[in-house]
Amino acid sequence: DAGVIQSPRHEVTEMGQEVTLRCKPISGHNSLFWYRQTMMRGLELLIYFNNNVPIDDSGMPEDRFSAKMPNASFSTLKIQPSEPRDSAVYFCASSPQLTSGTDTQYFGPGTRLTVL
Amino acid sequence: EDKVVQSPLSLVVHEGDTVTLNCSYEVTNFRSLLWYKQEKKAPTFLFMLTSSGIEKKSGRLSSILDKKELFSILNITATQTGDSAVYLCAPYNFNKFYFGSGTKLNVKP
Repeated sequence: DAGVIQSPRHEVTEMGQEVTLRCKPISGHNSLFWYRQTMMRGLELLIYFNNNVPIDDSGMPEDRFSAKMPNASFSTLKIQPSEPRDSAVYFCASSPQLTSGTDTQYFGPGTRLTVL
Repeated sequence: EDKVVQSPLSLVVHEGDTVTLNCSYEVTNFRSLLWYKQEKKAPTFLFMLTSSGIEKKSGRLSSILDKKELFSILNITATQTGDSAVYLCAPYNFNKFYFGSGTKLNVKP
């Protein structure tokens, strides 16, 4: 199993540009999570999907952030326009079935985003 | 408001020491609590605890949950330099995982 796949691994962009982060969950997993991690704020849950449907996006910082999951094997997190304070490592994680209460999450390697 | 507090925030020990990391939580509709180890990359799963008082072990690591007092501890015996990492606890309530700020463990040779 390839695990959770994220791309790109590193992204450097200028303020105002659009950034799209991509995630492929583990095959057969029904839940997908997007996290952001910074030194100041630690690990934060941004949004999660269950069976491709967004369940809780209360962690999305503002309207500049949007996430989609068009099918069970792909999700995107988009930032438009990007700002320097968005610089962070963005993790995607997947879980077999969120509602079972017995499953854990498997994290991807993360995308390190730097906004200049 | 749901919250998770980990203590200590950081810890420096020498190889061979035993450490205890704490995680207290207040999470509505609590279901289980997970522990993760994070080095310089993504978190990796250590334990999932659902039942109170049942210790889970994996080598030199063990963990237990107290659902009455709302806390969990992670023990590491005979620490090694490879145990140096940030340890995160994450209570879970069917809707989301609540990550604590972590305990940074530094094991010196």
